Amino acid sequence: GQNIDQPTEMTATEGAIVQINCTYQTSGFNGLFWYQQHAGEAPTFLSYNVLDGLEEKGRFSSFLSRSKGYSYLLLKELQMKDSASYLCAPWYSSASKIIFGSGTRLSIRP
Amino acid sequence: DSGVTQTPKHLITATGQRVTLRCSPRSGDLSVYWYQQSLDQGLQFLIQYYNGEERAKGNILERFSAQQFPDLHSELNLSSLELGDSALYFCASSADGADTQYFGPGTRLTVL
Repeated sequence: GQNIDQPTEMTATEGAIVQINCTYQTSGFNGLFWYQQHAGEAPTFLSYNVLDGLEEKGRFSSFLSRSKGYSYLLLKELQMKDSASYLCAPWYSSASKIIFGSGTRLSIRP
Repeated sequence: DSGVTQTPKHLITATGQRVTLRCSPRSGDLSVYWYQQSLDQGLQFLIQYYNGEERAKGNILERFSAQQFPDLHSELNLSSLELGDSALYFCASSADGADTQYFGPGTRLTVL
């Protein structure tokens, strides 16, 4: 299978930095997506990593280690609007599909 | 706005009934995916179509079926509805079968 493990819930303070970790099975792995989903809304694409290392995009960065089956999403200068679920979604070429994790619900407090 | 459209936005129906959800992908996208998301649950992949052909199947019930038409829009048919089918149903599209997926706004189905 492609067991995806990410924390169920996290809380952080406005203006701070938070790191959301994700581990996944490496067999057949091709790349990893991160999506943001506000409650009751559609998931929106944040990032896609296929190579090892850190990719930065504004306040959000995503890291991938293919050999360790590990990724994280780093959110800086947190804003209240960042309160949402963050979905780790590895793509497996062997299954020709993206598998979505259950998501990490991030709450930002003032 | 992702460019993916879904209709209707809301649907309320009774147990035992049949409904059809419709999705139009982004212009140029060939692949369409359907997901179910129950309250406070993760996205459950149902089925994927690529250029009119079924490409991958997830945890889709036999009471559910889908198709993708020549103009690439897709429909998800849900029959013999049960209370547990109440959920948000998302459609997503991508350029090919292994690309970034862009999600529509979803259809909220309530079965009473």
